[in-house]
Amino acid sequence: QQQVKQSPQSLIVQKGGISIINCAYENTAFDYFPWYQQFPGKGPALLIAIRPDVSEKKEGRFTISFNKSAKQFSLHIMDSQPGDSATYFCAASNFGNEKLTFGTGTRLTIIP
Amino acid sequence: DAGITQSPRHKVTETGTPVTLRCHQTENHRYMYWYRQDPGHGLRLIHYSYGVKDTDKGEVSDGYSVSRSKTEDFLLTLESATSSQTSVYFCAISGDRGYNTEAFFGQGTRLTVV
Repeated sequence: QQQVKQSPQSLIVQKGGISIINCAYENTAFDYFPWYQQFPGKGPALLIAIRPDVSEKKEGRFTISFNKSAKQFSLHIMDSQPGDSATYFCAASNFGNEKLTFGTGTRLTIIP
Repeated sequence: DAGITQSPRHKVTETGTPVTLRCHQTENHRYMYWYRQDPGHGLRLIHYSYGVKDTDKGEVSDGYSVSRSKTEDFLLTLESATSSQTSVYFCAISGDRGYNTEAFFGQGTRLTVV
């Protein structure tokens, strides 16, 4: 049973556009929601994370929006660049970086 | 890559043979994790360790065992490899549990069981 559902599976966005990836979770005990970025041949790397006491967190061009009542969170990449082309994973846990439950991943391609 | 070395990086093995993957860290981090990555499943936790000789099972632990005799090394063993264990395996480390530290991932080991 997939506890964290991620969509879309793949996404193509034009350079300068907004990339949006969505995740939904089931376990109401989750209280930490990170996003990881993975380039081919590399391990995932933490991009940005949020806790449910805030509805939005922004770091540079990357924003997490969090909707606790809907049990959904999303990643927005503003002014998307070709260098953002990667696979993105949402994740969740009920105690920080310990025992993360990952979504299935979104392959993002930014085209010129 | 946060001082994490996984070895080997690639391995092809036959069904039924034992396989050991190694994760070595130079960060002196207490917590270590093994995940497997498969298309359509994301990453799933296999086993984790809170310290030397202190390990526990994750979501997909069947068919795997781990050992941690030193802070810096976390070994993952497939006692008798099966084709369903063909995957990319990632080791991760973190200095602490909780929200103020990050889990760092190694570069992965691609294992093919034929």
